[in-house]
Amino acid sequence: KQEVTQIPAALSVPEGENLVLNCSFTDSAIYNLQWFRQDPGKGLTSLLLIQSSQREQTSGRLNASLDKSSGRSTLYIAASQPGDSATYLCAVSPISGNTPLVFGKGTRLSVIA
Amino acid sequence: GAVVSQHPSRVICKSGTSVKIECRSLDFQATTMFWYRQFPKQSLMLMATSNEGSKATYEQGVEKDKFLINHASLTLSTLTVTSAHPEDSSFYICSARAGGRPTGELFFGEGSRLTVL
Repeated sequence: KQEVTQIPAALSVPEGENLVLNCSFTDSAIYNLQWFRQDPGKGLTSLLLIQSSQREQTSGRLNASLDKSSGRSTLYIAASQPGDSATYLCAVSPISGNTPLVFGKGTRLSVIA
Repeated sequence: GAVVSQHPSRVICKSGTSVKIECRSLDFQATTMFWYRQFPKQSLMLMATSNEGSKATYEQGVEKDKFLINHASLTLSTLTVTSAHPEDSSFYICSARAGGRPTGELFFGEGSRLTVL
């Protein structure tokens, strides 16, 4: 059974700092991996999608990497801003089974001005 | 990116009543939509897969008679919480995959917060 783990569970950094969020998954048989952002009481916003054949994706100040063989992904946020404060969720799309996405529990990020 | 819209965003109801939540894909067709439930400070748990023109597929432990799902068109799926009780209070989120392939990106609605008094 696929399991996704995110470390740390919570992170607080001063504004301007670069930071890395970690995600690991137990089964490398995946179609892709997605990173999402969730603000309190809101839905999920898709940030980056990495297909299983890809190594990384970039969007603005965000860079996500994928090492499928080791079951790891990182989300790098450059020059963090208070507006980046949110919960970041990592999810994988498993090849086997009917579940579209298996989610981690998220990392709650606070960027302090 | 693709847009998925949910309505209502918040609903408060009395115990014993039924509540319907709508999920629409605004700029793409979705033969399959997914319904999730999220408890405070927890991750999303898949409840069911909604299939256009056929019965929904429910995850283990989810009561199909309690959570009625209808996917009558390629852009609309509805979740009805029947005879709601306080323990049904939660955040419900729907999602749909653009393109229909398992490699496609999944987009989520804004969520619906249900409070049952």
